[in-house]
Amino acid sequence: SQTIHQWPATLVQPVGSPLSLECTVEGTSNPNLYWYRQAAGRGLQLLFYSVGIGQISSEVPQNLSASRPQDRQFILSSKKLLLSDSGFYLCAWSVPSGTSGVGETQYFGPGTRLLVL
Amino acid sequence: AQSVTQLDSQVPVFEEAPVELRCNYSSSVSVYLFWYVQYPNQGLQLLLKYLSGSTLVKSINGFEAEFNKSQTSFHLRKPSVHISDTAEYFCAVSGIRGGAQKLVFGQGTRLTINP
Repeated sequence: SQTIHQWPATLVQPVGSPLSLECTVEGTSNPNLYWYRQAAGRGLQLLFYSVGIGQISSEVPQNLSASRPQDRQFILSSKKLLLSDSGFYLCAWSVPSGTSGVGETQYFGPGTRLLVL
Repeated sequence: AQSVTQLDSQVPVFEEAPVELRCNYSSSVSVYLFWYVQYPNQGLQLLLKYLSGSTLVKSINGFEAEFNKSQTSFHLRKPSVHISDTAEYFCAVSGIRGGAQKLVFGQGTRLTINP
């Protein structure tokens, strides 16, 4: 069966420090991968998605970046964190369903809670 | 562009009472709709989804949702709730972009069950 891991589970970082959050998926090949952020009291916002190794699409401008060095590994990074980067970060994966992709079910990881002070 | 509106940010109900969580969407393309549930300090879990076919879809734990095209709604219902249903519920509509599915989420509805 497929599983998705995220680490760390929680993280407290000072403003201006770097960030690296990791997400890995097991039990599937060539998944679509996603990073979401859930700010306190708000819904989920799609940050990045990837349809293959080295292929990253950004949904919103920000000081975050994403990379996919391996098929089932998705990394969220920042060179200098801002207070506004605090939130709950969720990684998700889906099985590509051909050219349409619509109707794919996304499966979410346990999340990383980031507090920037 | 697609959007989702969850009309209630919080819904308190008593145990064993019925509940309805409202969701309205807008989409200019074919509609695929989802309900996800988030228990405290956890990720999201798929509760149910509508892709095509019967407009009434059901989950294994007693929730159901009905796709209503004329009302552009996908409300979630359960006839009798339990304490364990306490969670935040997110409605989402999907669209395709760059070869991957893009989910647009509502703001979420926090369901609180009181004994």
